[in-house]
Amino acid sequence: GNSVTQMEGPVTLSEEAFLTINCTYTATGYPSLFWYVQYPGEGLQLLLKATKADDKGSNKGFEATYRKETTSFHLEKGSVQVSDSAVYFCALSDRQAAGNKLTFGGGTRVLVKP
Amino acid sequence: DGGITQSPKYLFRKEGQNVTLSCEQNLNHDAMYWYRQDPGQGLRLIYYSQIVNDFQKGDIAEGYSVSREKKESFPLTVTSAQKNPTAFYLCASSMGPRERGEKLFFGSGTQLSVL
Repeated sequence: GNSVTQMEGPVTLSEEAFLTINCTYTATGYPSLFWYVQYPGEGLQLLLKATKADDKGSNKGFEATYRKETTSFHLEKGSVQVSDSAVYFCALSDRQAAGNKLTFGGGTRVLVKP
Repeated sequence: DGGITQSPKYLFRKEGQNVTLSCEQNLNHDAMYWYRQDPGQGLRLIYYSQIVNDFQKGDIAEGYSVSREKKESFPLTVTSAQKNPTAFYLCASSMGPRERGEKLFFGSGTQLSVL
């Protein structure tokens, strides 16, 4: 079956620090990969996505590259802000599966201190 | 503005009681989903619906039921058979099942607790 593994949090950083959140996946098909972000008390929002190998998704200064050879989709940001404090979820969508179901990782809480 | 509305924001359930969580969308999306989120864990799929009057079980459907009588609405009932219902419930929608890798739009969630 499909699965997504993320590094456990919480990750605590100072403003302007470099952020990396590791994500690896297992899939039977050829998945699309996503990063979603959840701010306190809210639902999830799509942050970025990549649909094929070597694609780079980017948004709001965040980047992630689809690495098929290492089955990874690590999230990076060069300089974080306090407003980036949230829970980040890596997810995959198996194109061979019925429907558009997402398989989520466990989430990584990020806390950015001023 | 288009979006997904979940209500109520907080809900309390007594022993043996069924409760229903509301999810409405005005995005004209065909597909809708219910996820459960437990503290420190990822989201798990309860049920999903690709089209009106049709729905399928997800990974943890036991103790839950759904209906899809209208395109805009996908209510979730947490029945008394669900022995551990305390969780944060998230409803989502997407344009349609034909688009693999389509973006999901999420509501702001309902926190269900047991009295």
